Amino acid sequence: DIQMTQSPSSLSASVGDRVTITCRANQSISTYLNWYQQNPGKAPQLLIYAASGLQSGVSSRFSGSGSGTDFTLTISSLQSEDFATYYCQQSYITPPTFGPGTKVDV
Amino acid sequence: QVQLVQSGAEVKKPGASVKVSCKASGYTFTSYYMHWVRQAPGQGLEWMAIINPSGGSTTYAQKFQGRVTMTRDTSTSTVYMELSSLRSEDTAVYYCARRGPVAGTADYWGQGTLVTV
Repeated sequence: DIQMTQSPSSLSASVGDRVTITCRANQSISTYLNWYQQNPGKAPQLLIYAASGLQSGVSSRFSGSGSGTDFTLTISSLQSEDFATYYCQQSYITPPTFGPGTKVDV
Repeated sequence: QVQLVQSGAEVKKPGASVKVSCKASGYTFTSYYMHWVRQAPGQGLEWMAIINPSGGSTTYAQKFQGRVTMTRDTSTSTVYMELSSLRSEDTAVYYCARRGPVAGTADYWGQGTLVTV
C-alpha cells in the first residue's frame, strides 16, 4: 500500500491567515491526489481532486498543487468555517490511502 | 440533489456481524461506484471496499478480506456493507461515499453510521 504523510499534524491560525498543508507519498502518484475537509461529527467533504482541481461548490480560497510525491493544500485567507481537519488521499493505486490528517484550530 | 442516507447506529457483541445500508438518490445509481470508509474514534480515515452497483463486482482492502461483504440492490438503489467476526477494534463510524467522475475520489458521503462493539 502507498503510505501518505502530512505535515504539520496540527496548526494554530487566525482568521485571514494564509495556511499551507503538505502531503507526501512514499512513491510517485502522478497527480492522483485528493484533499478532504472534515468538521467534528461530520462526514468528510471533497475539496480538491487530481491535485489541483477545485470541486464544484468549494470556495476559491482553497487551492492545491503538486505532482509525483509532494503536494500542498493552501487556504489563501482562513475563514471561521475552515477550522477543521484536512486529509489527503491518493487514488493512484488500490487501496486508496489517506494521510493522518492536519487539524487547523484557532 | 445527490443524497446518501445510511442506516442507524448499531451496538454489537464481539464475534457478531453488522450490516449497514446506504440508500442513494438524486443520480443514476448504477453509474457510480460506491466506497466504504471507516473512522475509529479520534482517528483518521480508512478505506475498506468498493462496489460497482452496475454489475456488483467488488474490491476489498486486504485487511478486511474474508470479513467484509458488499452487496447492492438496484431496485432500491441501496448498497450494503456487512462486517463479520466483530472485535472491539471495529468500533468506528462507517461511511459510504460515491466515487466521483475522477477515479478514486469520494465526492458525496453518507452521514455515517456508528458501530459500537
